[in-house]
Amino acid sequence: NAGVTQTPKFQVLKTGQSMTLQCAQDMNHEYMSWYRQDPGMGLRLIHYSVGAGITDQGEVPNGYNVSRSTTEDFPLRLLSAAPSQTSVYFCASSWGQSNQPQHFGDGTRLSIL
Amino acid sequence: GESVGLHLPTLSVQEGDNSIINCAYSNSASDYFIWYKQESGKGPQFIIDIRSNMDKRQGQRVTVLLNKTVKHLSLQIAATQPGDSAVYFCAEKGMRFGAGTRLTVKP
Repeated sequence: NAGVTQTPKFQVLKTGQSMTLQCAQDMNHEYMSWYRQDPGMGLRLIHYSVGAGITDQGEVPNGYNVSRSTTEDFPLRLLSAAPSQTSVYFCASSWGQSNQPQHFGDGTRLSIL
Repeated sequence: GESVGLHLPTLSVQEGDNSIINCAYSNSASDYFIWYKQESGKGPQFIIDIRSNMDKRQGQRVTVLLNKTVKHLSLQIAATQPGDSAVYFCAEKGMRFGAGTRLTVKP
């Protein structure tokens, strides 16, 4: 099983550029989420979705958009990249919104110059 | 606000010894906790979970203890091996993560 697949694995952007981080899962999970991980700060929730067509903001949503048109895919869009968005981004999925273990992808390492 | 935090950012143990990683939480209503392991260059991986109606849960070489009175949980790894070297996170309700403890196992 592929589990949660994130692409690309690495990306370098210039300030002001936009891009989409892709996330796909093949486990038919309803719940999907995006986190960013910065040194010494653990994982912080950006956006999440409890099912196709439903998204909501997490702890640090500013500068990011998401959509959920299918159960499988949950892309994260950076509208106008800023150096503060340099981070490692993880996508996760699970059966439920809470009280369930999440399955994580291997991350996208993003640098904004 | 509510928070989840680990007591020590780093822990170094000798191969074969037992390891104990601690975590504190602030929300007394929290009813579900997960421990994740993150190896270098990888995403977090589920190790073990515990619900608030339990004080202890055991897995293969791992045990999680939950003390609701002092809002504290711990992850115990028996006979620690080099492959256990990683960053360990506790997560409240599976979603709110602590900063992590880096475990280094010395041969």
